[in-house]
Amino acid sequence: EDKVVQSPLSLVVHEGDTVTLNCSYEVTNFRSLLWYKQEKKAPTFLFMLTSSGIEKKSGRLSSILDKKELFSILNITATQTGDSAVYLCAVGVNTNAGKSTFGDGTTLTVKP
Amino acid sequence: NAGVTQTPKFQVLKTGQSMTLQCAQDMNHEYMSWYRQDPGMGLRLIHYSVGAGITDQGEVPNGYNVSRSTTEDFPLRLLSAAPSQTSVYFCASSFTRDSYEQYFGPGTRLTVT
Repeated sequence: EDKVVQSPLSLVVHEGDTVTLNCSYEVTNFRSLLWYKQEKKAPTFLFMLTSSGIEKKSGRLSSILDKKELFSILNITATQTGDSAVYLCAVGVNTNAGKSTFGDGTTLTVKP
Repeated sequence: NAGVTQTPKFQVLKTGQSMTLQCAQDMNHEYMSWYRQDPGMGLRLIHYSVGAGITDQGEVPNGYNVSRSTTEDFPLRLLSAAPSQTSVYFCASSFTRDSYEQYFGPGTRLTVT
């Protein structure tokens, strides 16, 4: 059974802090790892990673994948209150379904 | 371009009632899926479709039916609602089954009493 585990489950920081969110996975037929941000509504796409060691960056957010150790991290630097959200990690597997398996998410709260 | 739309936004059902959650997308995406999200948990796949006329079960299909008669629409039917189906339901779509980036609708919050 495919499995995606995120840690920590929740995190409270103050504005300006840097945070690292973790995602480990055990799946067959790995194709990609995706990060989404969910702010009380629908998840919105952040990054898709398919190759080890190549950092993806968007503003203060960055992410990297390690396919040997089967994990990914999402870094957020200089956090702002607007970064408060649930961050979901999903792994896409190569089956006829092309389906994604989601982790339970990390709830990040950024205090002013 | 509306993206992925879902109706209704909220629904309260009594145990045993049936209903259909509507989902539509205007991006000509082949792949569509339904997820449920329970408090403190991630998204669990209910059913998915890789194209018009083709559907299959995900992780938690019991109590739900789907059909895909057009590329745009992918309704989810609850056959006989149970309190365990109280959840937030998201519809999502992507270009093809190999395009793992999914676009999500705004969700339907369903309560079964």
